[in-house]
Amino acid sequence: QVTLTESGPVLVKPTETLALTCTVSGFSLSNTRMGVSWIRQPPGKALEWLAHIFPNDEKSYSTSMKRRLTISKDTSKSQVVLTMTNMNPVDTATYYCARIVPFYFAMDVWGPGTTVTVSS
Amino acid sequence: DIQMTQSPSSLSASVGDRVTITCQASQDITNYLNWYQQKPGKAPLLLVSDASDLETGVPSRFSGSGSGTHFSFTISSLQPEDVATYYCQQYDHLPLTFGGGTKVNIK
Repeated sequence: QVTLTESGPVLVKPTETLALTCTVSGFSLSNTRMGVSWIRQPPGKALEWLAHIFPNDEKSYSTSMKRRLTISKDTSKSQVVLTMTNMNPVDTATYYCARIVPFYFAMDVWGPGTTVTVSS
Repeated sequence: DIQMTQSPSSLSASVGDRVTITCQASQDITNYLNWYQQKPGKAPLLLVSDASDLETGVPSRFSGSGSGTHFSFTISSLQPEDVATYYCQQYDHLPLTFGGGTKVNIK
């Protein structure tokens, strides 16, 4: 059974750096073709894709967010980490990680999401 | 970036009605489009990939069609459990982009 679980701080202050971890099980981050995406959703708003990483370390970032984002993986821990610098209240959102299928770039299994609030 | 425009932004229909959502891409994306369903308080669920391929286990009342810049997602007979927001997502070019969503309610 494939599962993904997000973890990280619930509350961060403006200008701080956010680090979110996605722990996966049921598939490998090293010897399958599957990757991991991060997607966020501000309250009451649409989904916004942020970044993805594949086993060959291929990475891609949202155009509007790329200066603030870094995605990395630790295959020994089955974890993908997303860091976002200079957090702002507009970054308040539910953050999801999802397994991404190569070629179709379809996000076929999602974590339950983690809610992050940015406030002083 | 490729912009994805969904319409309508919301709709209400009766149980058993046929419901169609459209998604327009700002440039030709061939058939590189996926559709997701998101129920309130839940993570999205992949329903359709490659514009028209239904994922395993997805009820056959759901379907997708289209190519180029115009795409449709149809629920042939709306059921109460279909109340959700539906999103399209293109993968022709990185970065991946989602549409703004269509909220479907029961009248």
